Amino acid sequence: AQRVTQPEKLLSVFKGAPVELKCNYSYSGSPELFWYVQYSRQRLQLLLRHISRESIKGFTADLNKGETSFHLKKPFAQEEDSAMYYCALSPMNTGFQKLVFGTGTRLLVSP
Amino acid sequence: SAVISQKPSRDICQRGTSLTIQCQVDSQVTMMFWYRQQPGQSLTLIATANQGSEATYESGFVIDKFPISRPNLTFSTLTVSNMSPEDSSIYLCSVVPQGAFQETQYFGPGTRLLVL
Repeated sequence: AQRVTQPEKLLSVFKGAPVELKCNYSYSGSPELFWYVQYSRQRLQLLLRHISRESIKGFTADLNKGETSFHLKKPFAQEEDSAMYYCALSPMNTGFQKLVFGTGTRLLVSP
Repeated sequence: SAVISQKPSRDICQRGTSLTIQCQVDSQVTMMFWYRQQPGQSLTLIATANQGSEATYESGFVIDKFPISRPNLTFSTLTVSNMSPEDSSIYLCSVVPQGAFQETQYFGPGTRLLVL
């Protein structure tokens, strides 16, 4: 079975500090991995996906198959980064149609 | 992307009743999904809404409890039947727009349901 684990419910940092939101997954095949973000009073939206190897709003995430991790990082946090972040996995055996979500980490960036 | 609306945005219902949630998209989409997010939990896929045929349900979800319709490429409904307090959740619709990466899902604003 597929599983996504986000060990931290809450991560609190000061503005300008580095941020790392942890995500570990359990899947025997080659997954597609995503980070979704939900800002206050907004809907859930895609932040980035590992296949694109892109940086969005200064965030990056590297897939580490050896450690089965897909941690989200940003070198200098901004107050507007405060939000709920969800790591998600899409299994190859579902044609990448199904998303399995972690429980989410709330990031709070203080001034 | 796609503009997705859900109705109602929230509701308070009595146990034993049923509620139908609507998901409307402003453009034709290939895939539509329904998720549930129980308090303090992650999002869980309920089913894939198939246009013109029966929905495909995930393990633990059945059609009698969560009947789904998808009459066309822009609209779907999810009914939560014979509700109990355990059905109190946020229900979200998501879509994959035509031409998008198959795995890029866009989410609606959600329907917050409280069952008393």
